[in-house]
Amino acid sequence: DAGVIQSPRHEVTEMGQEVTLRCKLISGHNSLFWYRQTMMRGLELLIYFNNNVPIDDSGMPEDRFSAKMPNASFSTLKIQPSEPRDSAVYFCASSLLGLTNEKLFFGSGTQLSVL
Amino acid sequence: AQSVTQLDSQVPVFEEAPVELRCNYSSSVSVYLFWYVQYPNQGLQLLLKYLSGSTLVKSINGFEAEFNKSQTSFHLRKPSVHISDTAEYFCAVSETLSGNTPLVFGKGTRLSVIA
Repeated sequence: DAGVIQSPRHEVTEMGQEVTLRCKLISGHNSLFWYRQTMMRGLELLIYFNNNVPIDDSGMPEDRFSAKMPNASFSTLKIQPSEPRDSAVYFCASSLLGLTNEKLFFGSGTQLSVL
Repeated sequence: AQSVTQLDSQVPVFEEAPVELRCNYSSSVSVYLFWYVQYPNQGLQLLLKYLSGSTLVKSINGFEAEFNKSQTSFHLRKPSVHISDTAEYFCAVSETLSGNTPLVFGKGTRLSVIA
């Protein structure tokens, strides 16, 4: 299995532009988490899905952020419009529902820089 | 509500010296505890976990952690570190293994092993 795949690995954009981050879950996994990592705040949970349904989006910082699961194996995190303070590493992680917290599998992350 | 405190943001240590990375948690109920490791430019990987049974748990690369309920701690130790152990280490806690409540991560401790 290729593991959790995120794209792009690096994204540099200008303030005000739309940014879309992508995540492919491990085959058969049905829980999906989006995290943001910064030096100041560490690892923050933004949103998570079980069986394609958003369960808790209280960590999404503002309405500029949105996440979707158009199908069982794929998710997107969109920021529109982007701001410099959104610069961070964004990770997605997947697992099996029912054993969700026993082991999370993380992607390699997307390094986002908003200029 | 659960929370995790990693008191040390950075720990430098010489190669072959012992190390302890501290983790304290707060929770009103029984917990499951985890250590994740993040190598440079990679996502987080599960290092070890305490679910039940023996309070001392070990990883395949020589790390161990002990669950201490009275002190609400889950410190990570290694008797002799290698250069390859240089990474960021995250402690995490959960009150369930299912997908009902997500893991709560600490802010991480950056371990730097010096030759």
